[in-house]
Amino acid sequence: AQSVTQLGSHVSVSEGALVLLRCNYSSSVPPYLFWYVQYPNQGLQLLLKYTSAATLVKGINGFEAEFKKSETSFHLTKPSAHMSDAAEYFCAVSDGQGGSEKLVFGKGTKLTVNP
Amino acid sequence: GAVVSQHPSWVICKSGTSVKIECRSLDFQATTMFWYRQFPKQSLMLMATSNEGSKATYEQGVEKDKFLINHASLTLSTLTVTSAHPEDSSFYICSARPPIGGYTFGSGTRLTVV
Repeated sequence: AQSVTQLGSHVSVSEGALVLLRCNYSSSVPPYLFWYVQYPNQGLQLLLKYTSAATLVKGINGFEAEFKKSETSFHLTKPSAHMSDAAEYFCAVSDGQGGSEKLVFGKGTKLTVNP
Repeated sequence: GAVVSQHPSWVICKSGTSVKIECRSLDFQATTMFWYRQFPKQSLMLMATSNEGSKATYEQGVEKDKFLINHASLTLSTLTVTSAHPEDSSFYICSARPPIGGYTFGSGTRLTVV
């Protein structure tokens, strides 16, 4: 069974500071990994995804994540936080092609950006 | 890009009534759609996988008779919450996987049962 652990339910940074949101996964097969962002009372928007190609994945809005198999991690980073980045972020894993394609989500990390 | 439209965005209903939520893929065909439930300040929990032309696959603990799923066409899946009670109040989100790219989510439906 797959699972995702997001360390830190709340992260607070200053505007312009580095954003680091942590995600560790567990999967018995090569995983597909995703980061989504959710604004209040809205659906989820895909930030980026890893599907077994380049381990450093660049996404929208200046976010990127690095897949590290040895650490079973897929941490999300952004060099300089913007006020508009304040939202809930979810890491998710699926078992990729040929699998059930179900997404399993972490519990989410709420990012607060202080002026 | 691929778009999934979910309707309504919010609904208030009386206890004991049924509510239908629609999920449409606007620019691609989706043989499979997913229905999630999200409690306040919590993560998304997969309720069921909707399969076009066949029965939905429900996750353990989800009542099939309460949460009826119909996937009658390649672009439409519906979730009907039957005999709704206040504990069914939640945020429901659908998702589909277009041919290219990651999963696409609807904008969600806020259900309040009074």
